[in-house]
Amino acid sequence: ELKVEQNPLFLSMQEGKNYTIYCNYSTTSDRLYWYRQDPGKSLESLFVLLSNGAVKQEGRLMASLDTKARLSTLHITAAVHDLSATYFCAVGFSNTGNQFYFGTGTSLTVIP
Amino acid sequence: NAGVTQTPKFRVLKTGQSMTLLCAQDMNHEYMYWYRQDPGMGLRLIHYSVGEGTTAKGEVPDGYNVSRLKKQNFLLGLESAAPSQTSVYFCASSGLVGVRETQYFGPGTRLLVL
Repeated sequence: ELKVEQNPLFLSMQEGKNYTIYCNYSTTSDRLYWYRQDPGKSLESLFVLLSNGAVKQEGRLMASLDTKARLSTLHITAAVHDLSATYFCAVGFSNTGNQFYFGTGTSLTVIP
Repeated sequence: NAGVTQTPKFRVLKTGQSMTLLCAQDMNHEYMYWYRQDPGMGLRLIHYSVGEGTTAKGEVPDGYNVSRLKKQNFLLGLESAAPSQTSVYFCASSGLVGVRETQYFGPGTRLLVL
């Protein structure tokens, strides 16, 4: 059974600080996605990571993928309040219908 | 270009009632998906479709049926609603190109079953 685990589940951090969210998955996949969800809203795509060692950066967020360790990280640099949201990782499989398996999400609150 | 739209946005049902959720996409995507989102459980795939006229079961299909009669529409049906189906339902679609394309999500439908 495929498992996608994120930690921490809840994260409260002060503005200006750095932190990392971890996403572990149990089955080999060469695709890893990160999404952001604001309260009461839909999911917004942040990053698509397609190969081992892939690194993508957008503003204060940087995502990386280690397919050998089955691990992806989402690093937050100098957090600001606008980054407060829930972040999901998802593992993709192209064999059948491009199915995605989502992690449980990390709820991030950035405190002024 | 509206992307992925869902109807209705919110609905209250009584146990045993039926309803259909409609998802529409205007991106000419082959793949469409229905998820449910419950607190602390992320998104779980209910059913999906790899093209017009095809459907397949996902992780949690029991109590739901789907149909994809037109490429742009994906319907999710609840024949006899139960309180356990209280959830937020998201539809998503993705393209065929490279099969590595991300999924695009609709705004969600909040369903309360009493």
